[in-house]
Parts: sequence; structure tokens; C-alpha cells
Amino acid sequence: AQSVTQLGSHVSVSEGALVLLRCNYSSSVPPYLFWYVQYPNQGLQLLLKYTTGATLVKGINGFEAEFKKSETSFHLTKPSAHMSDAAEYFCAVSYGGATNKLIFGTGTLLAVQP
Amino acid sequence: GAGVSQSPRYKVTKRGQDVALRCDPISGHVSLYWYRQALGQGPEFLTYFNYEAQQDKSGLPNDRFSAERPEGSISTLTIQRTEQRDSAMYRCASSLRDSPTGANVLTFGAGSRLTVL
Repeated sequence: AQSVTQLGSHVSVSEGALVLLRCNYSSSVPPYLFWYVQYPNQGLQLLLKYTTGATLVKGINGFEAEFKKSETSFHLTKPSAHMSDAAEYFCAVSYGGATNKLIFGTGTLLAVQP
Repeated sequence: GAGVSQSPRYKVTKRGQDVALRCDPISGHVSLYWYRQALGQGPEFLTYFNYEAQQDKSGLPNDRFSAERPEGSISTLTIQRTEQRDSAMYRCASSLRDSPTGANVLTFGAGSRLTVL
């Protein structure tokens, strides 16, 4: 079955440090890839997506992710963490088709220490 | 509306009662999805509508769960004879569907948190 794995359910970084959240998918066919962010008491918000073309994708709030087909990965990075980045982050994939539904990972809770 | 609206935001019910959760998608969005998110987990697909047609209900856990979207806009997810294990955040999302890239960007509502006592 197609799945998404997010390594590390909790990640803590210091303000100003690099943020790296890991995501791997399991399928032989490259999917569409997404990162969503969830702030407390809010809905999931799209950070960025990869569809085709350039493998380095830039999103909102200074985040970016790189699709690496050979590693089946789509890790999320930000050079310098800000306190406002504290949230839960979800990696998701879709494979098109009639439903074109998103399949989510279990999420990574990012804490930013002052 | 401007975003996906869900109601109620919070619902506490007793085991055995029926509950109905409502989703009002973004105007003009053809596709509508229901997801369930347990504590500490990612959202899990329940069902999908294309206009008023329920085209995929493979994620509904059992026959106590049902959903409808009779006029292709507002949708209702109904859980009959609720059980404690039904406690979760229920999220609705909508999309335009016909994206030029084929990638389906879902816009999510804030969710309805269901607690079954």
C-alpha cells in the first residue's frame, strides 16, 4: 500500500537554527507531494507542493522542499527558524486518478526554543 | 464563502447518540473530501464527492458512518450510534479538481472535534 513516513514525531530547534523535517514515500511511481502546516485550532494550510519540473520547491514563510526521486524523499527545510514556525507539519502525497485524494503522514510537531 | 466552514466546531455526545457534522465548501469547488484525524495522527481519508455524487467511500470505517452532498454544495457526515472510538477531529476539504497540473490542492476547514463519552 502507498504510504508516507515522517521520521520524528517531535522536533525541537533553537530560534535561528536550521529546520529539517523528513518525509519519505513508498511507491515506484512518483506522486504529487505536499507539505501542510497546522496551527492550533486552525485548519491545515498548504505550505508548498511538487507536481512536475524543478525539484526544489519554494513555499510560504521561507520554507522549501526538494524532491529526490532516487531517495523517494521530500524533506522540508528552512534556513532559520522563527518562533512563529512552531506548529505541526504534515507531508502528503497523491497519485491522481478519479478520487485524487491526499494520503498523509503522521505529522511532525515542531517546537522552537528561544 | 471565503473558506471551508465546518460546524459545529466542538461536539460532545453520549455513546449511542447520532451526530451530524456539516461542511460548507468554498463556492465553486467541485470536489469535497472528509477526513478523520485521531490525536497524534495524520488525517485519514473517509470519503469523496464529485459534485453531488459520492464517488469514493472506501475510507468509511463501518456502516454507522454515512455522508451526503445532495445539491453538490453543503455536505453532512453522519455517525449513528456513536462509540468512544469515534472521538476524533473530523475535517472537510474542498478543491477545484481540474487543476492544469493534475495536482489536487485541498483547502481544509478548521474541523469539528467530536468527543464521545
